Amino acid sequence: GAGVSQSPSNKVTEKGKDVELRCDPISGHTALYWYRQSLGQGLEFLIYFQGNSAPDKSGLPSDRFSAERTGGSVSTLTIQRTQQEDSAVYLCASSRRQGYEQFFGPGTRLTVL
Amino acid sequence: GESVGLHLPTLSVQEGDNSIINCAYSNSASDYFIWYKQESGKGPQFIIDIRSNMDKRQGQRVTVLLNKTVKHLSLQIAATQPGDSAVYFCAENWGPTQGGSEKLVFGKGTKLTVNP
Repeated sequence: GAGVSQSPSNKVTEKGKDVELRCDPISGHTALYWYRQSLGQGLEFLIYFQGNSAPDKSGLPSDRFSAERTGGSVSTLTIQRTQQEDSAVYLCASSRRQGYEQFFGPGTRLTVL
Repeated sequence: GESVGLHLPTLSVQEGDNSIINCAYSNSASDYFIWYKQESGKGPQFIIDIRSNMDKRQGQRVTVLLNKTVKHLSLQIAATQPGDSAVYFCAENWGPTQGGSEKLVFGKGTKLTVNP
């Protein structure tokens, strides 16, 4: 089956604009994660969804960041009033359940001018 | 070493040699560890994992060693090939976050370059 897909692959925006990043997890995977990867850095956990449970938002850096997961499948990460420091690659991962191997998408490279 | 960090940021080897990438982790309660490979412009790709009740696990050309006494993880790649050139990340499962999920904490990565 298909892997995790993300769109767009690249996004260039102006400071202050809102952006939406999309993630399609692997079918049947109940856990979905968002991470941020700055240039030359490791992955920073942002948010986690598990089934119909309330998401774990403990990694979101500010209230400008939010995410939702509709129907237990597709997820959207929204960044409002983007800042230059938001520039990074945003990676989505899914796993069949919590505590198991995470499969990553190719990421969305966000550039805030 | 840093928390879930890597002792060497870069590693250069000759094709055919064996490579060893090291990682120090900080959380003695972590029960699950993963090595990921990330090629330029791609998302991390699972290589091998190990649970804390094991000290060694082998895959195809790769071996992961876990030393819980000193909180050290290593990835050994046998007969390294040019296609192995990538950034390698170790990750530990930190267990429940404030929100109750289990999250992976990643190191900053080691860049492996394989010279033909």
